[in-house]
Amino acid sequence: QLQLQESGPGLVKPSETLSLTCSVSGGSISRSTYYWGWIRQPPGKGLEWIGSIYDSGSTYYNPFLKSRVTISVDTSKNQFSLNLSSVTAADTAVYYCARHLLAAGTQVVNWFDPWGQGTLVTVSS
Amino acid sequence: DIQMTQSPSSLSASVGDRVTIACRASQSITSYLNWYQQKPGKAPKLLIYSASSLQRGVPSTFSGSGSGTDFTLTITSLQPEDFATYYCQQSYSTPLTFGGGTKVEIK
Repeated sequence: QLQLQESGPGLVKPSETLSLTCSVSGGSISRSTYYWGWIRQPPGKGLEWIGSIYDSGSTYYNPFLKSRVTISVDTSKNQFSLNLSSVTAADTAVYYCARHLLAAGTQVVNWFDPWGQGTLVTVSS
Repeated sequence: DIQMTQSPSSLSASVGDRVTIACRASQSITSYLNWYQQKPGKAPKLLIYSASSLQRGVPSTFSGSGSGTDFTLTITSLQPEDFATYYCQQSYSTPLTFGGGTKVEIK
């Protein structure tokens, strides 16, 4: 059974870079048809897609965050990572990683399943 | 960006009730629409993809319908474990966007 687990600091200072890693177990990031994505949820609010990466390193990002986001993959460790630079209090959120399927056969689906449990990152001095 | 609007934002219902949640897209997304369930303190769980396809392992009490701009998630007989917040997500174009959520509470 595929499982994802986020890890990283729970507190980041304003203007610094938020860095999180998602470790995947029960399946391989490589040689799959899946992308791997990051989604965040500010406390008490809705969900926002940040971006996704393929095992080749191909990425696509939410334009709203694109200038500050870098997603990378380390297939040797079966992990992928998120860096978000120049953070402010508005970046305080629970950050989730998830498996992202773009297409099932010829059908575009763009769904996220399963998800990691999420990790709360607070931006504060 | 495609804006997703859900209604109502919350509702109260009883076990056994039929519940309907609406989701409207700001432009046509044909059938590119997914639904998720999120329980407090937990990650979202995929219920339905492509507007009406049930994800493996999801009870058949859940169903989805709609196309174009208007979509519906229906729970035919609400169970205690169904009290949660439900989100729609358009899968038509990037950036992928979610609705604001509908919280289903116990009456």
